[in-house]
Amino acid sequence: DTGVSQDPRHKITKRGQNVTFRCDPISEHNRLYWYRQTLGQGPEFLTYFQNEAQLEKSRLLSDRFSAERPKGSFSTLEIQRTEQGDSAMYLCASSEGTGASQPQHFGDGTRLSIL
Amino acid sequence: KNQVEQSPQSLIILEGKNCTLQCNYTVSPFSNLRWYKQDTGRGPVSLTIMTFSENTKSNGRYTATLDADTKQSSLHITASQLSDSASYICVVRGSGTASKLTFGTGTRLQVTL
Repeated sequence: DTGVSQDPRHKITKRGQNVTFRCDPISEHNRLYWYRQTLGQGPEFLTYFQNEAQLEKSRLLSDRFSAERPKGSFSTLEIQRTEQGDSAMYLCASSEGTGASQPQHFGDGTRLSIL
Repeated sequence: KNQVEQSPQSLIILEGKNCTLQCNYTVSPFSNLRWYKQDTGRGPVSLTIMTFSENTKSNGRYTATLDADTKQSSLHITASQLSDSASYICVVRGSGTASKLTFGTGTRLQVTL
């Protein structure tokens, strides 16, 4: 068990460019979550998958954001036409089963900086 | 609106001392409450998860309490160590909402010599 892995750890890009992040959850975890965290704040929910199905999206997830989990394993989060306000840490988490008390295991995030 | 408020915002203590962090929430209906530790530049790590029926839960030197009637929780750290320096985030899950966790903004703890 290598934990939740996120790639890249850091991404610096110019405003207007597209970026894509990858998350590899703990194997056999069927739930996968994306969060955004800005400095001094707690994580904010963006979206989650159960297996390959995207079951919920936050209002924070504008049309420029899209997430996929095509085979129910790894997931990608793409941001199109990046804006200054997109600068944040993007965290991925996974959990096992569907129980309400299952802990979410977080990756170390991708820090996005928009120039 | 579901909210989780934590206090203090930041705290500095000497190594070896104890401290208590507070969490008040308005999430309803309630399912469980979690405390996470987040080191700078890392993802949060789960410390404890407590359901409605649990009043206290320990994980090593960390002890969490829950009063579901007053919607308050605390995290007590005993005999602090330098490695305890981190942000501690209180997270509440409501029932009937499979995905949503409401996160507090965290308490930033610094343990010094």
